[in-house]
Amino acid sequence: EAGVVQSPRYKIIEKKQPVAFWCNPISGHNTLYWYRQNLGQGPELLIRYENEEAVDDSQLPKDRFSAERLKGVDSTLKIQPAELGDSAVYLCASRYGSGAQYFGPGTRLLVL
Amino acid sequence: AQKVTQAQTEISVVEKEDVTLDCVYETRDTTYYLFWYKQPPSGELVFLIRRNSFDEQNEISGRYSWNFQKSTSSFNFTITASQVVDSAVYFCALSRQTGANNLFFGTGTRLTVIP
Repeated sequence: EAGVVQSPRYKIIEKKQPVAFWCNPISGHNTLYWYRQNLGQGPELLIRYENEEAVDDSQLPKDRFSAERLKGVDSTLKIQPAELGDSAVYLCASRYGSGAQYFGPGTRLLVL
Repeated sequence: AQKVTQAQTEISVVEKEDVTLDCVYETRDTTYYLFWYKQPPSGELVFLIRRNSFDEQNEISGRYSWNFQKSTSSFNFTITASQVVDSAVYFCALSRQTGANNLFFGTGTRLTVIP
């Protein structure tokens, strides 16, 4: 069974530029999460989807971050405009029912 | 509020030694899950175990074992006969069983196994 797929794996941009990350969850997993992991820290939740509905986006900086999960499968996380402090690893995870969360390899973002 | 504390920032051991990674958690929920994940240099978080708060039995999986003690709010992880491939950052995490079920992570423990 294929795991969670994320792209790109690495992204370097200049501040004020837009950037987008893509996630394809494990087939059949109805819950999808986006986490941000700063250097030396554990991941922190940005947003959680149940199917196509965002049910917890309280930690998403809505002035510059947006996310969507069309058709309840793939998801895209966007930052516009990016700031230096957005440099981090962005992790996508998925889950089926009440099972454990499985993570993708992450996208490492560097904002210059 | 949910909180996970991993007091050990970095640990180094010589290959074949046993090592225990500590995890202490705080929650007001009566039911919850506890997790351990491994993050190798490649960056992907690898799921190791999930424990239900109702189940305090210790668990062993090969060289890995976990000790869950509700009385001390601890969920420690022991690697027996460590190997170089065990070198990684290990995260302990907590989640609710219902409602908002996102993971609350500790800050991780970096384990280096020296050959």
